[in-house]
Amino acid sequence: EAGVAQSPRYKIIEKRQSVAFWCNPISGHATLYWYQQILGQGPKLLIQFQNNGVVDDSQLPKDRFSAERLKGVDSTLKIQPAKLEDSAVYLCASSSSPGVTNEKLFFGSGTQLSVL
Amino acid sequence: QKEVEQNSGPLSVPEGAIASLNCTYSDRVSQSFFWYRQYSGKSPELIMSIYSNGDKEDGRFTAQLNKASQYVSLLIRDSQPSDSATYLCAVNMGWGKLQFGAGTQVVVTP
Repeated sequence: EAGVAQSPRYKIIEKRQSVAFWCNPISGHATLYWYQQILGQGPKLLIQFQNNGVVDDSQLPKDRFSAERLKGVDSTLKIQPAKLEDSAVYLCASSSSPGVTNEKLFFGSGTQLSVL
Repeated sequence: QKEVEQNSGPLSVPEGAIASLNCTYSDRVSQSFFWYRQYSGKSPELIMSIYSNGDKEDGRFTAQLNKASQYVSLLIRDSQPSDSATYLCAVNMGWGKLQFGAGTQVVVTP
């Protein structure tokens, strides 16, 4: 079974530029998450999708971050304009039944963003 | 803001010894808890999950949960150099949304 795919693996941009990350979840997983992990910290949830609808985006900085999940499969996370503090690893994860107590999340390899 | 607290470490453990990692959480209604291992530059990998009070063993790993004390721990027996990593405690806040601690770095010394 293929895992969660993410691209690019690394991205270096200058502040005020824009950047986009792509994620393809495990086949059949209805729920998709984007997490931000700053160096030395645990992952922080940015947004959760159920199929192509947003379940929770309370921690997404909506003035600069946007995300979409068209057709309930692939997802794109965009930052525009980027700030220095956006330097982090952006992790995509998916699960099949998030309402189930013991449901597990599967993480992709992440995109490491450096904002200079 | 609901919180998950872990000692940041590093926790230095001699090879073959037991590593003990602790985690406390603030949300009393949380029902499921997870331990992830994260090697440097890699994504988190699930190693243990626990939902009921008591102990759960899986190979060299034992997770312990005490909901009354809002405390979850992870024991790694017979620690190996390959266990050197950061261990993240995660609490399910509902509908799969995980709240992570900052992680405890474990260093197993030969």
